[in-house]
Amino acid sequence: AQTVTQSQPEMSVQEAETVTLSCTYDTSESDYYLFWYKQPPSRQMILVIRQEAYKQQNATENRFSVNFQKAAKSFSLKISDSQLGDAAMYFCAYLTSYGKLTFGQGTILTVHP
Amino acid sequence: GAVVSQHPSWVICKSGTSVKIECRSLDFQATTMFWYRQFPKQSLMLMATSNEGSKATYEQGVEKDKFLINHASLTLSTLTVTSAHPEDSSFYICSAREDTESQRVGLTDTQYFGPGTRLTVL
Repeated sequence: AQTVTQSQPEMSVQEAETVTLSCTYDTSESDYYLFWYKQPPSRQMILVIRQEAYKQQNATENRFSVNFQKAAKSFSLKISDSQLGDAAMYFCAYLTSYGKLTFGQGTILTVHP
Repeated sequence: GAVVSQHPSWVICKSGTSVKIECRSLDFQATTMFWYRQFPKQSLMLMATSNEGSKATYEQGVEKDKFLINHASLTLSTLTVTSAHPEDSSFYICSAREDTESQRVGLTDTQYFGPGTRLTVL
């Protein structure tokens, strides 16, 4: 079974600075997808970014980018120019071949003004 | 974008009663929906996969007789918590996977999440 591990329960960053959230996973599959989701205080899950395992190029969405290291099974999220609205719980997730999402434990991100 | 609604957004009930939570895909069809449970400051735990026209598939450790799932149409799945007890109090979230022609898991397999339902059992 696939597992997803987020080793940082909490992180903080100053507004306008950059922060990186870590995620590692374990799988025996060669073709899969990875996601970062954001859950603000409203608790609505919001898709931040997705990465296809067969693509070597790291995905980027505006201020959000990933560092995908397939051999190391690492999938970190970098948030540049952090904004107060980025404060939330962030989940790394793995999409299995059965279409199920497996989530990491989550990282609470605090943004200081 | 695709929108998923949940109703109710919060509910308080007495111990021993049953509660039904609805999950609707508003602007797309979803043969498959998923139900998750989330405790405060914890991750989402998949409870079951809901399939239109067939029985739900439950994850290990989830009591299927307690958490009844019905996927009656391509836009509606319901979760009924039967004989609810205080330990069932939690935040329940559904997601819907948009039906597409491609069977390949991935970008065409995006799950859209509902806003969640907070259940409190007294």
